[in-house]
Amino acid sequence: QQPVQSPQAVILREGEDAVINCSSSKALYSVHWYRQKHGEAPVFLMILLKGGEQKGHEKISASFNEKKQQSSLYLTASQLSYSGTYFCGTEDQAGTALIFGKGTTLSVSS
Amino acid sequence: NAGVTQTPKFQVLKTGQSMTLQCAQDMNHNSMYWYRQDPGMGLRLIYYSASEGTTDKGEVPNGYNVSRLNKREFSLRLESAAPSQTSVYFCASRTGSSGANVLTFGAGSRLTVL
Repeated sequence: QQPVQSPQAVILREGEDAVINCSSSKALYSVHWYRQKHGEAPVFLMILLKGGEQKGHEKISASFNEKKQQSSLYLTASQLSYSGTYFCGTEDQAGTALIFGKGTTLSVSS
Repeated sequence: NAGVTQTPKFQVLKTGQSMTLQCAQDMNHNSMYWYRQDPGMGLRLIYYSASEGTTDKGEVPNGYNVSRLNKREFSLRLESAAPSQTSVYFCASRTGSSGANVLTFGAGSRLTVL
């Protein structure tokens, strides 16, 4: 079952902050975040694992609430290059595959 | 390092025709995946192969078959294409199927079925 992302779209000016949320109806083993620019392939941003381990992007942070089966991606001091569609992908157990949400489109203008 | 290579990049088919999308990775990854992307629907998992010799259905497997030819290659076949299969198809791979492993995507294959 696809995780649910919110909001569907965000419009920002450079320097503003944004939060993108991802929630699942299942207990989660891992949450991944990817960004896709128009016409390109998705690119890795962040992984959050059950138990608290994280690895990812220097300027982007994320949280993972295992009890609520939710993750949030925090984009601070946004830049024009942050524009794109953000996808969260979730796994409920190891050895399976990522199931992605429908995406959140972020538009940053100067 | 080429990463994940998909062929063809573009294809137009008529309803009922068959075709195979090819995917190859040169990163010695064990796990490979096929997703389709449609406007407003995100990336939906079609099939995956957690390791050489295994394949499993994803969210939307109907109308597709896959073959894990060897460790490097994972192909997606449409036996009788339908307009509903018009989409952008992404192949991806990662070291293993552990949640700690990052997915690397190919550039995508845009398929139009008339």
